[in-house]
This record gives sequence, C-alpha cells and structure tokens, in this order.
Amino acid sequence: KAGVTQTPRYLIKTRGQQVTLSCSPISGHRSVSWYQQTPGQGLQFLFEYFSETQRNKGNFPGRFSGRQFSNSRSEMNVSTLELGDSALYLCASSLGGRLSPLHFGNGTRLTVT
Amino acid sequence: DQQVKQNSPSLSVQEGRISILNCDYTNSMFDYFLWYKKYPAEGPTFLISISSIKDKNEDGRFTVFLNKSAKHLSLHIVPSQPGDSAVYFCAASGTTGTASKLTFGTGTRLQVTL
Repeated sequence: KAGVTQTPRYLIKTRGQQVTLSCSPISGHRSVSWYQQTPGQGLQFLFEYFSETQRNKGNFPGRFSGRQFSNSRSEMNVSTLELGDSALYLCASSLGGRLSPLHFGNGTRLTVT
Repeated sequence: DQQVKQNSPSLSVQEGRISILNCDYTNSMFDYFLWYKKYPAEGPTFLISISSIKDKNEDGRFTVFLNKSAKHLSLHIVPSQPGDSAVYFCAASGTTGTASKLTFGTGTRLQVTL
C-alpha cells in the first residue's frame, strides 16, 4: 500500500508570495491533517479535513487555508508569506476514527526568504 | 503554553540496554496518548498508543506506561538497538477533539550507541 505522498519536497519562496502544498493520502483514508514543524516548537496542528469538510482547526492565522477534494487528496495554501512561515509542513492521513493513528508523509520543506 | 512536555531534548543509551523516554502533560482533558518516531528527512512514524483507561500497553520491544495522577507517561524500549536512534515525539488528544488534532511534545533525540 502506498504511503502518504507530499509534493513538492522543497520550496523556496519570497516574502509576500503565496504557496500551495499538495498531499495524497493513503488509499481508503478519508481524513487528512496538516501540521507545521519548526525548531523548538514540535509539531503544531493546522487543520483537518474529512470528506471534503474542515473538521478541526488549530490556532493559525487566516493566511493558512486548505481544502480536500472528492478523492481525499488535499492542498494547503499559505498567502502573503512571512519569514516565520519557514518550516516543515507535514500531512497525515487516517481512517478518521477517534483512535485511528495518523500516518505522516515526508513533508514539504518551505523556506521563505 | 506547552501542554505536552518532553523535558529531555536528548538521551544516549548503550545497545542492549533499556531506553526510557518521558513525557508530561498538563491538560486533564487528554485521554489518548501516542508515541511517534522520526528519522531525518522522513515524516513521523506511529509507534504505540495508550488510552487513559489503561496504565500500560506493550508492543514487542516497546512499552508505554501511563500515570494519570501524575499526568506522566513514559516509553520503554528494551533492548535498545542502533536502529532505534531517532527523535521520539509524545502526542496527546482530548475528549473534545478528533484523533487528528494531536498536541505534540518537542521531541527527545535518542542515540543508541554500540
């Protein structure tokens, strides 16, 4: 079974630009979550989509948004990039149940200059 | 406000010995806890979990202990192997959230030496 696939692996953007990251979940998984990892902060929850609906949202500004398509694939968008947005963005999929463990992709490393 | 804390940024253990990784939490609403392992340039991999109705869960060389009164959990790896060298994250979810909204600690880097 193929794992969670994230594209691209690396991105370099300039402050003020916007960026879109893509995530393909494990086949059969209907829940897709996004996390931001920065040094010293661990992983911080951005949002979760389940069956094309945002089911949960973390404490991030509105510049961070996402969506999920009917095939469960998900995209995350960050507008008006700031230097502090430089991070590893991780996507995770699961069956969506209360105790379903998350399966993570290898992440997209975003650098904002 | 760090609700899940891993106070040891790093740990070094000899091959064959026991590795004990610790995690503390402050939110009483957390009722499900997980450990993830992360190698460089890879995403975190699920290791083991425990529900608050239990105080111990075992899976092969990995055992997680939960002390609810102390709001403390630990991961024991016995025996430790060089391939266990990685960053270990403790995570928790609460009764009001879904399994996907996890609160993570900042991680402990485990080095297993020969």
